[in-house]
Amino acid sequence: DTGVSQNPRHKITKRGQNVTFRCDPISEHNRLYWYRQTLGQGPEFLTYFQNEAQLEKSRLLSDRFSAERPKGSFSTLEIQRTEQGDSAMYLCASSLSPSPLHFGNGTRLTVT
Amino acid sequence: KNEVEQSPQNLTAQEGEFITINCSYSVGISALHWLQQHPGGGIVSLFMLSSGKKKHGRLIATINIQEKHSSLHITASHPRDSAVYICAVSSPGGSGGGADGLTFGKGTHLIIQP
Repeated sequence: DTGVSQNPRHKITKRGQNVTFRCDPISEHNRLYWYRQTLGQGPEFLTYFQNEAQLEKSRLLSDRFSAERPKGSFSTLEIQRTEQGDSAMYLCASSLSPSPLHFGNGTRLTVT
Repeated sequence: KNEVEQSPQNLTAQEGEFITINCSYSVGISALHWLQQHPGGGIVSLFMLSSGKKKHGRLIATINIQEKHSSLHITASHPRDSAVYICAVSSPGGSGGGADGLTFGKGTHLIIQP
């Protein structure tokens, strides 16, 4: 069990650029979640996969956001045409329900 | 009103003190989680409970389902306990989304001074 891995740890980008984050969950975990966390707030749900199927998306996930989990393994979260309001910590978590979620260390995005 | 409310928001205490963090929720839940987040972002799951009390080392978590309230206690606190402690509830079909429907509180920022 190597834990949930997220890359990169930090990303600084200019407004309007596209960014992509990667999450490698614990290998046997079938559920994968993406969350967004802004300063002083708890994480907010973005989207959820069970195996390769994206089963739910939050209304927070605008058309500029897309997430994939090909083959039910790693997942990517892409933000197109980034805005300053996208600056946040993006957290990935995985689980083999009903076990607790295992979180990665997050990717901190700064949009200048 | 948030579905999960924590108190206090910030807590500073001296090493050795007994610490209590409270969590109240307003929805029906299948489980309540206590999480620890250190500077830099990583979140660690401390407890997942649906009734009664759990203990792990110096940490104790209790839940009262009827009162929709949970507490996290830290005995003999130490500076390494300094972190943000987050309460979250699993409420399938709730605003948290996903099969586990996890909705988070805003967290309690704990500082233990030597």
